Amino acid sequence: EAGVTQSPRYAVLQEGQAVSFWCDPISGHDTLYWYQQPRDQGPQLLVYFRDEAVIDNSQLPSDRFSAVRPKGTNSTLKIQSAKQGDTATYLCASSFGLFYEQYFGPGTRLTVL
Amino acid sequence: DAKTTQPDSMESTEGETVHLPCSHATISGNEYIYWYRQVPLQGPEYVTHGLQQNTTNSMAFLAIASDRKSSTLILPHVSLRDAAVYHCILRVNTEGADRLTFGKGTQLIIQP
Repeated sequence: EAGVTQSPRYAVLQEGQAVSFWCDPISGHDTLYWYQQPRDQGPQLLVYFRDEAVIDNSQLPSDRFSAVRPKGTNSTLKIQSAKQGDTATYLCASSFGLFYEQYFGPGTRLTVL
Repeated sequence: DAKTTQPDSMESTEGETVHLPCSHATISGNEYIYWYRQVPLQGPEYVTHGLQQNTTNSMAFLAIASDRKSSTLILPHVSLRDAAVYHCILRVNTEGADRLTFGKGTQLIIQP
């Protein structure tokens, strides 16, 4: 069974550029989570979906961050006008439903210069 | 505002049994105790979880204090592959509030 896949694995940007991260959850998992993990810290939840609906996006840092999951399967997290403070690993996780175990992808390591 | 306290690091030797402590003095009755572990360049991996009773699976044994204010993850016969950051997390079971709040965790170092 394939795990959670993410792309790209790495991204390097200049400040002000935009970037998108893509996540393909485990087949059959209706709940999808995006986390931000700065270097030497634990992951922090940004947003999560059940099917295509946003359940909680209150932790998205600012209007520069947006996330969609239009068909309730794959998801995209986008950062408009990236800043150096956005440098982190962005992790996607999926689960069979709320409160089930979350399975994480390998993450996308973003560096903003 | 992490609700759990863990040592920054612990060290052990291959073949030994490791006890990873976690303090959660303000745990609520509806909060589950979850453990995840993470190695560099990978996402966290689920280890185990419990509410009140001790639990065991192929990876670890979770011992929960009777007052639920602390727990210990026990890893038997560790190998080099068990070297990771181990996160102790409280997860509330409330509709619309499914959130894993990670702290820095405990860096487990395994010597050959």
